Amino acid sequence: DGGITQSPKYLFRKEGQNVTLSCEQNLNHDAMYWYRQDPGQGLRLIYYSQIVNDFQKGDIAEGYSVSREKKESFPLTVTSAQKNPTAFYLCAIGQGEQPQHFGDGTRLSIL
Amino acid sequence: QKEVEQDPGPLSVPEGAIVSLNCTYSNSAFQYFMWYRQYSRKGPELLMYTYSSGNKEDGRFTAQVDKSSKYISLFIRDSQPSDSATYLCAMSQGPGTSYGKLTFGQGTILTVHP
Repeated sequence: DGGITQSPKYLFRKEGQNVTLSCEQNLNHDAMYWYRQDPGQGLRLIYYSQIVNDFQKGDIAEGYSVSREKKESFPLTVTSAQKNPTAFYLCAIGQGEQPQHFGDGTRLSIL
Repeated sequence: QKEVEQDPGPLSVPEGAIVSLNCTYSNSAFQYFMWYRQYSRKGPELLMYTYSSGNKEDGRFTAQVDKSSKYISLFIRDSQPSDSATYLCAMSQGPGTSYGKLTFGQGTILTVHP
């Protein structure tokens, strides 16, 4: 989606390794979200942030961490504590009463 | 029981057919309803955004919400091969960022063949 950049497109993790997924936006939206998508399960919320330096856990936050030091950036770290990290990770942004818009995702796999 | 149930399909129809996609939900607090289209290896793209019960039309797409039955639908008229994608329903208790969380259905895989 224009204005939301997720990188890398594909990422591989080794056992015991932390990896960080990037989400950047240039639309000056206040809210940013991380979802995980698994086949047959739709999207599930990991973390979200509505203002800089503040974020809340979603439904499946265990094994993940985030930071929101800048308005335009909301990186997600998948830690070694996440035992089943293989999934498609989607970042979304939101502003006011408008619905969320999504980036094109990062596919994470285990080596 | 999941809060939002969506038949995963897959659904295969001929070009020109009318397609009906549906979701049911259990949480009566849901007030805002969305349909997203997701092409393979891409992020979801917003198709329709509706509030409470009623119909909303946009070109070949019509979204219908029946809060009394806790049932929402997306109709696609004159379906095209380019409509082949996964369709996700989503819902929220508040508008936009006010509530924060969207709850998604599992997604329905649609194929429109020429």
